[in-house]
Amino acid sequence: NAGVTQTPKFQVLKTGQSMTLQCAQDMNHNSMYWYRQDPGMGLRLIYYSASEGTTDKGEVPNGYNVSRLNKREFSLRLESAAPSQTSVYFCASVRGQGTYEQYFGPGTRLTVT
Amino acid sequence: SQQGEEDPQALSIQEGENATMNCSYKTSINNLQWYRQNSGRGLVHLILIRSNEREKHSGRLRVTLDTSKKSSSLLITASRAADTASYFCATGTQGGSEKLVFGKGTKLTVNP
Repeated sequence: NAGVTQTPKFQVLKTGQSMTLQCAQDMNHNSMYWYRQDPGMGLRLIYYSASEGTTDKGEVPNGYNVSRLNKREFSLRLESAAPSQTSVYFCASVRGQGTYEQYFGPGTRLTVT
Repeated sequence: SQQGEEDPQALSIQEGENATMNCSYKTSINNLQWYRQNSGRGLVHLILIRSNEREKHSGRLRVTLDTSKKSSSLLITASRAADTASYFCATGTQGGSEKLVFGKGTKLTVNP
């Protein structure tokens, strides 16, 4: 099992450009999450999907959109990138059904100039 | 906003010593978890303790939870250089939601 995979690993964007971060899990997990991690700030939840077909906002959703394409895939889109979105983005998944441990991908390091 | 706050922010010890990290939180929880993050990598789940548990062990890890003080501690015994990483506590709120709120982490350095 690959676990949680994320693409790309690194990305540099200019202000105003758009891009989609991809996340996939092969563990048949129900819930998926997108976080951002900034220096000294820990992880902050952007969006999450408790099950296929549902998405909800987290703590810092502004400037982002998500799609739960199917049970395996959860993508994060930046429509018009801003320097404040420079960060490391992590995707995570949880099996659900009374379990709470989150499994993380390796992260995408995004720089917006 | 962060729910958990780890203390200390940074900790440097010698190999073989024990490392203790603390986490305080604000609201009632369903569970509290500890994660490790090696530099440049994703987080890895270490241990989960439920709100009705007081202590849990896993290998060299010992976690305690005091819900009356809204605090938890993570003890790593006989530390190794490979334990060098950042450690985060994360709290799950009551109501069965699987969402977690992460603290800012403790950066542990174990010197050989």
